[in-house]
Amino acid sequence: EVRLVESGGGLVQPGGSLRLSCAASGFTFSTYWMQWFRQAPGKGLVWVSIINPEGTLMEYADSVKGRFTISRDNAQRTLFLQVNSLRPEDTAVYYCAKDLVRGASDSWGQGTLVTVSS
Amino acid sequence: EIVLTQSPGTLSLSPGERATLSCRASQSVSGSYLAWYQQKPGQAPRLLIYDTSSRATGIPDRFSGSGSGTDFTLTVSRLEPEDFAVYYCQHCGNSRPYTFGQGTRLEIK
Repeated sequence: EVRLVESGGGLVQPGGSLRLSCAASGFTFSTYWMQWFRQAPGKGLVWVSIINPEGTLMEYADSVKGRFTISRDNAQRTLFLQVNSLRPEDTAVYYCAKDLVRGASDSWGQGTLVTVSS
Repeated sequence: EIVLTQSPGTLSLSPGERATLSCRASQSVSGSYLAWYQQKPGQAPRLLIYDTSSRATGIPDRFSGSGSGTDFTLTVSRLEPEDFAVYYCQHCGNSRPYTFGQGTRLEIK
């Protein structure tokens, strides 16, 4: 069974940083593209970032470019999202997801809440 | 960036009825790489359809997708009580950013 478990969220002040993690099991992690999405409270889904299986190609939404960094450790079967220079508008549940094909994600974690507030 | 507009915003139907949800793109979606997700309160999204019309693993055949170019449709042929949720379309493919529609809320009439 595919399982994705996010952690690392919490309350942080504007300008602060967090490192989100996503522990994967039940599939060959090192062969799949992986993604991060977010959803602000009561709002819709937003794509954040994607990384290729080798960890050599990363892309970002314009709203997070230069502040967020996606990475992965295939040996530890873990996906990361380093989030820096946080703003109140970054407040959201952050989901990691396994890519099925061309961006469509067939497995999602339960999400981790990031709250940016003073 | 492709902008996706879903309609209607809210759809009120009864169990057993047919639901038709629309997703219109601001420009042609190359390869018809469009996906549909279902999301229930407090849960992560669930992939229903990818590549416009391919059902994801475990998705009942009452869910179907169609369309091309800029106009796409998700149809639920006969609504079950567990189908009442929010539905999102997503532009996929080889060009990022991936974008989502704003969602259609399917509620019990």
